[in-house]
Amino acid sequence: SSELTQDPAVSVALGQTVRITCQGDSLRDYYASWYQQKPGQAPVLVIYGQNGRSSGIPDRFFGSRSGNTASLTITGAQAEDEAAYYCNSRDSSGSHLVFGGGTKLTVL
Amino acid sequence: QVQLQESGPGLVKPSETLSLTCTVSGGSVNSDNYYWSWIRQPPGKGLEWIAYISYTGITSYNPSLQSRVTVSVDTSKKQFSLKLNSVTAADTAVYYCARDWEYYDSNIYSDAFDIWGQGTKVTVSS
Repeated sequence: SSELTQDPAVSVALGQTVRITCQGDSLRDYYASWYQQKPGQAPVLVIYGQNGRSSGIPDRFFGSRSGNTASLTITGAQAEDEAAYYCNSRDSSGSHLVFGGGTKLTVL
Repeated sequence: QVQLQESGPGLVKPSETLSLTCTVSGGSVNSDNYYWSWIRQPPGKGLEWIAYISYTGITSYNPSLQSRVTVSVDTSKKQFSLKLNSVTAADTAVYYCARDWEYYDSNIYSDAFDIWGQGTKVTVSS
């Protein structure tokens, strides 16, 4: 089992806003990073830190943190945003890295 | 820009050792801000961090795999490697190497995998 918990699936209407969450005790001490993975491709870093966007990531992607929950928000979701999204951080010990189980985003 | 490329056998027999190498191009492995990681993804499942190593040889292993995993680095060749012993069908996965960037933001050290290899599929089967 993962120390970071994500909803398995989320859907959003085209052009609407969607929030994908990641919960875990370690998120009180460490920032989460977020990855987008499309079928057959390697994951791509989307968000890191308080709200750092990786190079080439559109500004409709936004990261935030509150308590033990990190969130990835997509404002004005596009068809190309349909993908699996994974969060990642340190575990509670701080000695290891861990991924959330992933959230499959469907854009309707 | 830095690129990573995995290499190694695509088929490994049960009980044998899986060995993969990741070659770093376009940059150096000698940096205090980076750890060099291995991550895997079984078919249809999520990502699992396996281990990382620094250029100085500092290592960390996923507790669930620690007894079977060894990572090493060869700075002269700009390569780092993974060995996973006593494999079973459950170790069948796409294996990725990735650069783990340790950054400092608002008084907090955190990590992000900022560069990934394309992944290599490894099947465990007789």
